[in-house]
Order: sequence, then structure tokens, then C-alpha cells
Amino acid sequence: DSGVTQTPKHLITATGQRVTLRCSPRSGDLSVYWYQQSLDQGLQFLIQYYNGEERAKGNILERFSAQQFPDLHSELNLSSLELGDSALYFCASSGRTEANYGYTFGSGTRLTVV
Amino acid sequence: GDSVTQMEGPVTLSEEAFLTINCTYTATGYPSLFWYVQYPGEGLQLLLKATKADDKGSNKGFEATYRKETTSFHLEKGSVQVSDSAVYFCALSLTGRRALTFGSGTRLQVQP
Repeated sequence: DSGVTQTPKHLITATGQRVTLRCSPRSGDLSVYWYQQSLDQGLQFLIQYYNGEERAKGNILERFSAQQFPDLHSELNLSSLELGDSALYFCASSGRTEANYGYTFGSGTRLTVV
Repeated sequence: GDSVTQMEGPVTLSEEAFLTINCTYTATGYPSLFWYVQYPGEGLQLLLKATKADDKGSNKGFEATYRKETTSFHLEKGSVQVSDSAVYFCALSLTGRRALTFGSGTRLQVQP
């Protein structure tokens, strides 16, 4: 157990629908990162939050949004889903003193859009 | 922009063979470098890291040296085991930006 918890582990939904993925960071970590892993695009950075504030944005689509709550858990919202959104979505966390020294990843949520 | 290039896989080796997975990077600053491993059906685990030039990261028999002159961070292991079969990702992170940039991953298959 890495200490980063992601739920649900698997999600199957239809095109056009909206889903929410949840991530609880490792205890004490203030930063949360979301990544998308697909066969054709590899691992893509989506967005980072630090202590409730958006810190950096990567290749995140406008249909996607995220937030980090006061208890530091984060949610990634995916809307108007398309077949191409099927992927593994990973959350990672890092602490203030661990910047540039490594990140702890959750086990991921596998999203299948049918 | 920043990028990481890894050798194409899959890499297929016999048990106890020597492993090298090449990784080169392009970055505008002085990045920290990482190797992550992903076992089937699991998330990414940090394997080793190096934060400055000439640093050597090591863990579980794997090693990689941060070579600034060749912008490389090749992963090596002297004797692989079947249990090392996984996908290996090279990644970088720039000071102050923190988000990891990953290579495309290299699948390693070790046969008994």
C-alpha cells in the first residue's frame, strides 16, 4: 500500500456521461497530481494542486476539471465522455520537502467508456 | 519543451542476463531524474532517483547515473530475475515546476 488511495478502481460508463474520480493523498502530502495513461499517449500530466490551489496545468481537456478540498483529497471530473477518454487515471502526491525527490502514486482508476 | 526518450521495447532477456535500458532527456534547466517501475495491474513505484549531475541512484540491484554531458540516465542491472518483468519509465522533474515528464516506457520480459 503506497498510502495514496484512489477510488473507484474500475469504472465503466457510456459516451456523453460524467464521472468523478477520487484521490486521497499520502498523509501529510500537500501536492496532488493527476496523470492519464493510455496506450497511444503514454503517461500525460493533467493537473497539479497544492494545498487546495491549482499549481500547474498540463494536457488537460476543457471537458475535464479537478479540485482539491480542505482535507486535501482531490477529485477529477470528466464530462461529455468520449471513447478516447478510456484510460488509466493515476493520482500521485508529494510533500513539501520531497519536491523533486519523488512522488507516490496510487494504483489508478481504469476508466472504460463504451 | 522538456522531454524524455526511452529505448523501444519489449526487451526480452534470459534470467541472470545483464540489463540496460537507455534514457536520454531534453530540459531547459537542471532536472531531477527518476526511474519508475509498473508491474502488471499496478501503479507506478519509484525505483531510483538522482538529483544532480554524476549522482548515482540505486535500488534492488538497479543503478542509473546522471550524466549531464550526454543528457542520459540509463538503467542497468547486472543479473535480472523473472520477477523484474515490468514496464520501466524514465522521468524528469524541473526545480520549481515539479510535475513529472515521463518517457514512453520500456517493457522488460525476463524468461526463466
